[in-house]
Amino acid sequence: DGGITQSPKYLFRKEGQNVTLSCEQNLNHDAMYWYRQDPGQGLRLIYYSQIVNDFQKGDIAEGYSVSREKKESFPLTVTSAQKNPTAFYLCASSIGIVSFGNEQFFGPGTRLTVL
Amino acid sequence: GENVEQHPSTLSVQEGDSAVIKCTYSDSASNYFPWYKQELGKRPQLIIDIRSNVGEKKDQRIAVTLNKTAKHFSLHITETQPEDSAVYFCAASISGSARQLTFGSGTQLTVLP
Repeated sequence: DGGITQSPKYLFRKEGQNVTLSCEQNLNHDAMYWYRQDPGQGLRLIYYSQIVNDFQKGDIAEGYSVSREKKESFPLTVTSAQKNPTAFYLCASSIGIVSFGNEQFFGPGTRLTVL
Repeated sequence: GENVEQHPSTLSVQEGDSAVIKCTYSDSASNYFPWYKQELGKRPQLIIDIRSNVGEKKDQRIAVTLNKTAKHFSLHITETQPEDSAVYFCAASISGSARQLTFGSGTQLTVLP
């Protein structure tokens, strides 16, 4: 399934707590991404990273933070500032720029529920 | 930025019939258009893509057409089977853009036996 893993599969947190979602890939891909999926809204880009130690905000970055200290890892922290954090979170990676025809591979996702 | 609209949001067809899903995009600089299939509880997977230098691409029962002038592209599935039931997402990517893909809102396709 593409060498991208996300953990855990299901995550429950109390309101007001920060939570970190893990994403690891062994594909030697330079680029990694985080998407949020809500019913009827498709995939919305939270953050993306083209290279280690560099990342950019996507369309809905408010209330989220990321780091890219290693090529293989791109963890996402959902902070207490995120107003509606309950969602399905998908991590993805690609070897290079997608518009050049490089496929974007997705992880299995983490379903976060904030109680 | 790029905006991608996808229609219909739900589609039901009888097994063996064809299904068509349509997407429009806003930025004429977009040059790469992939389609993803997401089965229930699973990750999205690329099923076909098309670049702006061609008007149609086929892969067995799946085809994608692109109209650059009208800025729309469509997914065609022929001889549908129950295993085609899934959510399908279109996406667009602007040439050279680091942010990669803008996705449509998805189409839930149900193939009725």
